[in-house]
Amino acid sequence: AQSVTQPDIHITVSEGASLELRCNYSYGATPYLFWYVQSPGQGLQLLLKYFSGDTLVQGIKGFEAEFKRSQSSFNLRKPSVHWSDAAEYFCAVGGNNNDMRFGAGTRLTVKP
Amino acid sequence: NAGVMQNPRHLVRRRGQEARLRCSPMKGHSHVYWYRQLPEEGLKFMVYLQKENIIDESGMPKERFSAEFPKEGPSILRIQQVVRGDSAAYFCASSPLRQDEAFFGQGTRLTVV
Repeated sequence: AQSVTQPDIHITVSEGASLELRCNYSYGATPYLFWYVQSPGQGLQLLLKYFSGDTLVQGIKGFEAEFKRSQSSFNLRKPSVHWSDAAEYFCAVGGNNNDMRFGAGTRLTVKP
Repeated sequence: NAGVMQNPRHLVRRRGQEARLRCSPMKGHSHVYWYRQLPEEGLKFMVYLQKENIIDESGMPKERFSAEFPKEGPSILRIQQVVRGDSAAYFCASSPLRQDEAFFGQGTRLTVV
């Protein structure tokens, strides 16, 4: 079965600084990859997804992610973080014959 | 088109009681997933269902937990004889296709006292 690792449990960045959240997956075939964001007390909202094609994916709220097959990674990036980006971020992997599995999440704190 | 609806949003149960969590998927979605989120932890897959079928229940505890998605009505996650360790947020998600984007409900927060 597929699995996802998010190595960073908690990241703190200053407002305006760049951000990269790491995600590594394990899956035997071409995966479907997702990044979700969860604000406190809320459900999950999709930021972006990769199914095929261009390996650099643009999402909502200025986020992007790059699929690197050789590294089994799908890191999330944002050039300039806003205070409202403080939340929990989840990477997820799915496959053609498999349901979606999530990483443990990375909590983002934004310093003023 | 309403989103994924979960109810109740908050549920308090005493130890030994039963908890029933309901999830109405988005219109046109026939795939439903249940996840559990423990405090300070990520989302743990529990079960994946299609209408009237359990496709993958590898994440469900072997005892006390069950799930269904009948032909009519919402999907139900049922926890019998709840214990304090069952206290968590339970999220439901639905998708139109198996490998497609999943839309999440706002979750049911279960507290066992």
